Amino acid sequence: GDSVTQMEGPVTLSEEAFLTINCTYTATGYPSLFWYVQYPGEGLQLLLKATKADDKGSNKGFEATYRKETTSFHLEKGSVQVSDSAVYFCALSDGSNTGKLIFGQGTTLQVKP
Amino acid sequence: EAQVTQNPRYLITVTGKKLTVTCSQNMNHEYMSWYRQDPGLGLRQIYYSMNVEVTDKGDVPEGYKVSRKEKRNFPLILESPSPNQTSLYFCASRNRDGSPLHFGNGTRLTVT
Repeated sequence: GDSVTQMEGPVTLSEEAFLTINCTYTATGYPSLFWYVQYPGEGLQLLLKATKADDKGSNKGFEATYRKETTSFHLEKGSVQVSDSAVYFCALSDGSNTGKLIFGQGTTLQVKP
Repeated sequence: EAQVTQNPRYLITVTGKKLTVTCSQNMNHEYMSWYRQDPGLGLRQIYYSMNVEVTDKGDVPEGYKVSRKEKRNFPLILESPSPNQTSLYFCASRNRDGSPLHFGNGTRLTVT
């Protein structure tokens, strides 16, 4: 079945460092891809999305490009801030009427001043 | 403010004592869903509902029940909780058109 694999965390960076969180997926058909962020004590919030190959999603300085040839959707940010500390989830939607999102295991990011 | 509201935020209970976690959304969304979040496993779907009186199983439905008598509410029922249901639970909703999910703030359940 469909699945999402994220890089193991936690990821610890200094402020202003470059961030990459790897995400690869396995899916039949043409899924939509998402990054969600979970701040401490809160629910998940959509960070960005891409619905077809070569689309680039972007928001709040974060970017991810839908790469069909490598089945990847890596999250990047050029300069992280302490406020970016959170858990990041990569997810895919198969577009079926179940509306189900399939999530990766999550990657914890800690940014130190 | 558009939101998904879950209650309670924290719940500690004992094995076998029935409990209900409530979920309500004020966005008139047709679709609602329950997920559980466990370390190393991400989020897994328990049940979902496409509309009033329409519910279906997700990937991990065993030990759970849901109902959708009204559009705004989607309670999660544990008839006889067990320790393996200790987890962080999230309710989510969205429009039928596939727009992104809106999540509640979660309910942390501990079953002893």
